[in-house]
Amino acid sequence: DTEVTQTPKHLVMGMTNKKSLKCEQHMGHRAMYWYKQKAKKPPELMFVYSYEKLSINESVPSRFSPECPNSSLLNLHLHALQPEDSALYLCASSQIGHASSGANVLTFGAGSRLTVL
Amino acid sequence: KNQVEQSPQSLIILEGKNCTLQCNYTVSPFSNLRWYKQDTGRGPVSLTIMTFSENTKSNGRYTATLDADTKQSSLHITASQLSDSASYICVVSGAKGGKLIFGQGTELSVKP
Repeated sequence: DTEVTQTPKHLVMGMTNKKSLKCEQHMGHRAMYWYKQKAKKPPELMFVYSYEKLSINESVPSRFSPECPNSSLLNLHLHALQPEDSALYLCASSQIGHASSGANVLTFGAGSRLTVL
Repeated sequence: KNQVEQSPQSLIILEGKNCTLQCNYTVSPFSNLRWYKQDTGRGPVSLTIMTFSENTKSNGRYTATLDADTKQSSLHITASQLSDSASYICVVSGAKGGKLIFGQGTELSVKP
């Protein structure tokens, strides 16, 4: 299995809702990432988990709460979001602790398209 | 400041033609450079990854070059197909555990 699976593909939520994005990989990768991507812009790093521990938080607002229950799963809990949070949320994984190390490659999921009304 | 700049911003070519996309970077120290293809509404897919010592790497109709002295990379697409229409993103990694630096991407449109 060489895929990163993200669910749901599309999510529409109100500003008072609580929802979660889910990500799963079975490649044995020990680093997992959340990126946010606005239209026609490159992905922006949000969080990095390395060996199931949060290693990087790019000053993301607390209305986004990541969780890594085990080495295969990564969640992003959403609460009290704003319309400007609407974007494509990409999950990625890589083989070793950090994607910048050596010749490592990020494998991205297909993304979850989030719309906040 | 570590930056990655891509050109052109967008490109329209006819099916069957070749094209070359450019990536200039100022990331230092340098570890590796990757080219990703991203279809609209989908996640990026890795095409090539090149380290300091590699000058050329091919993946089917895609050929990437790297000149670490001038800090330039190119992605050449041969005999373009309609399915090549996508955004192509250059991503540079600095050494010593630095962050990945993403370029803004080149939007390629292949017309019949």
